[in-house]
Amino acid sequence: GQQVMQIPQYQHVQEGEDFTTYCNSSTTLSNIQWYKQRPGGHPVFLIQLVKSGEVKKQKRLTFQFGEAKKNSSLHITATQTTDVGTYFCAPSGSARQLTFGSGTQLTVLP
Amino acid sequence: DGGITQSPKYLFRKEGQNVTLSCEQNLNHDAMYWYRQDPGQGLRLIYYSQIVNDFQKGDIAEGYSVSREKKESFPLTVTSAQKNPTAFYLCASSPLTGGGHGDTQYFGPGTRLTVL
Repeated sequence: GQQVMQIPQYQHVQEGEDFTTYCNSSTTLSNIQWYKQRPGGHPVFLIQLVKSGEVKKQKRLTFQFGEAKKNSSLHITATQTTDVGTYFCAPSGSARQLTFGSGTQLTVLP
Repeated sequence: DGGITQSPKYLFRKEGQNVTLSCEQNLNHDAMYWYRQDPGQGLRLIYYSQIVNDFQKGDIAEGYSVSREKKESFPLTVTSAQKNPTAFYLCASSPLTGGGHGDTQYFGPGTRLTVL
């Protein structure tokens, strides 16, 4: 499957601060999905990006797919305690299975 | 109430014993997947199946076996050959939409297996 590097591995922010996680690949990706896993829970689908340079927003979350389709990012504006969890990027492979990045674990301090 | 169920939530086994984890879905999804997650790490694909009676190895299939006799069910057996079986096991399913892109995966609550 497609290999991706996700950074940072951990991020602690004060509530109200912004947060960004990055997903980088050495090869061109056909598409990429983002998932969120709350502590003790299971991954939940957030969004899929397909087009070069695509930007999608969900309330305070902004997802971007790079022009070269080799990187993607998730930005959260004004974090809240409900944003706590691990965020994974996951590009899909030729057989349509996903390869999950190592994740960014977000802690929001009240 | 549609979804994916995995049972039990916690499972303890002695070293050297085989153990089977259940995964059932009533979403009418064609594809099903098994992942392993170790503390602080991402998900690694063990096996996946896109059709009944057919399945493919993922990145870490050694020491595991699966079956897909029914569309709704995809049990995973952790055999005694798996050297480090203690982990969080997640089952997922997805529709095969035919759009040429990766399909959204829906995850079950997971089973935490501890081998003593």
